[in-house]
Amino acid sequence: SQTIHQWPATLVQPVGSPLSLECTVEGTSNPNLYWYRQAAGRGLQLLFYSVGIGQISSEVPQNLSASRPQDRQFILSSKKLLLSDSGFYLCAWSDQGYEQYFGPGTRLTVT
Amino acid sequence: RKEVEQDPGPFNVPEGATVAFNCTYSNSASQSFFWYRQDCRKEPKLLMSVYSSGNEDGRFTAQLNRASQYISLLIRDSKLSDSATYLCVVNPASNTGKLIFGQGTTLQVKP
Repeated sequence: SQTIHQWPATLVQPVGSPLSLECTVEGTSNPNLYWYRQAAGRGLQLLFYSVGIGQISSEVPQNLSASRPQDRQFILSSKKLLLSDSGFYLCAWSDQGYEQYFGPGTRLTVT
Repeated sequence: RKEVEQDPGPFNVPEGATVAFNCTYSNSASQSFFWYRQDCRKEPKLLMSVYSSGNEDGRFTAQLNRASQYISLLIRDSKLSDSATYLCVVNPASNTGKLIFGQGTTLQVKP
């Protein structure tokens, strides 16, 4: 069966510091991968999606970036965090466009 | 107009009640539809897909009306454990598998 991992689970970072969040999927090949952010009390905002290694599409212009160095690895990064980057970051995978399955998320607080 | 609209609630119902959530979507070309459940501070989890003919899974029934661009979720015999936020989700006919999430409807089942 497929599983999706995210780490870290929680993170507290100062403004201006870098960020790296990692997501890995097991038990499937060539999944579509997604990064979402959910601000407190808000809905899910799609940040990036990827349909293959090295293929990244950005949904919202901001100071975040994403990379997919391996088929089942998806990384979310920032060079300098802003206060507004605080939120619940969720990685998801899907099998060629159907239901999406989410990882447990990373709760980021920028101070 | 939002792509997917839901009544945010909250819906406060007693145990054993029947409750219905509605959702409308703006893109008439949308291909597939889902309901997700999100518990407080957790990741969304797929509750059920919504099929054109309507479908049922235990106490949960989902209906789709393509002509009215309307999706519903009915929960019968509500349990305390049903308390959560229910997200209406639409695939807008994209081959990337991008999903559009509603803001969610919050359900609180009281003893």
